[in-house]
Amino acid sequence: GQNIDQPTEMTATEGAIVQINCTYQTSGFNGLFWYQQHAGEAPTFLSYNVLDGLEEKGRFSSFLSRSKGYSYLLLKELQMKDSASYLCAVLDSNYQLIWGAGTKLIIKP
Amino acid sequence: GAGVSQSPSNKVTEKGKDVELRCDPISGHTALYWYRQRLGQGLEFLIYFQGNSAPDKSGLPSDRFSAERTGESVSTLTIQRTQQEDSAVYLCASSKRGGGAVGQLFFGEGSRLTVL
Repeated sequence: GQNIDQPTEMTATEGAIVQINCTYQTSGFNGLFWYQQHAGEAPTFLSYNVLDGLEEKGRFSSFLSRSKGYSYLLLKELQMKDSASYLCAVLDSNYQLIWGAGTKLIIKP
Repeated sequence: GAGVSQSPSNKVTEKGKDVELRCDPISGHTALYWYRQRLGQGLEFLIYFQGNSAPDKSGLPSDRFSAERTGESVSTLTIQRTQQEDSAVYLCASSKRGGGAVGQLFFGEGSRLTVL
């Protein structure tokens, strides 16, 4: 079966750095995506990794290791508005998106 | 329009009634998805349309659920004889054709369904 694992909930402090991990086991791989979803809102696209390595976009970075079936989303200089759920998703060999259950990130002042 | 548009934004219905939810994707986006999200839960895949190919209906939870899409435009999700367990936010998303772009989804604001 296909599976994506990520922690259910994480807590971090405003101004700090947090790393949200995602491991996957899928039928093939055509890319990994991170989405942000604020409470009561729809998910929005954050990042896309298809090759190994780090992709940086402002305060957010995403890393991929295909050999390990592993990714992480790194958030720097945390702000209260970063409190949200972060969803990891993998595009499999049939170009179907497989979704993780999401990680709820709580930012404390 | 500029984004994915869904209607109605909120729907309250009585158990046993039928409901129809509408999604208008971004112009030019060939892929269209429907997801269900219960309160505090993750995304539950329902159905996927890609251009004129046969839709992937593997996520529809029962035969009370059906969806249609005309070409690469509007889609409707119909739930017949609604049950209280159908209460959730129904999210529609669209994406472009081609490689990894297929996975970059643009979501609508969702239709919140409450079945009394």
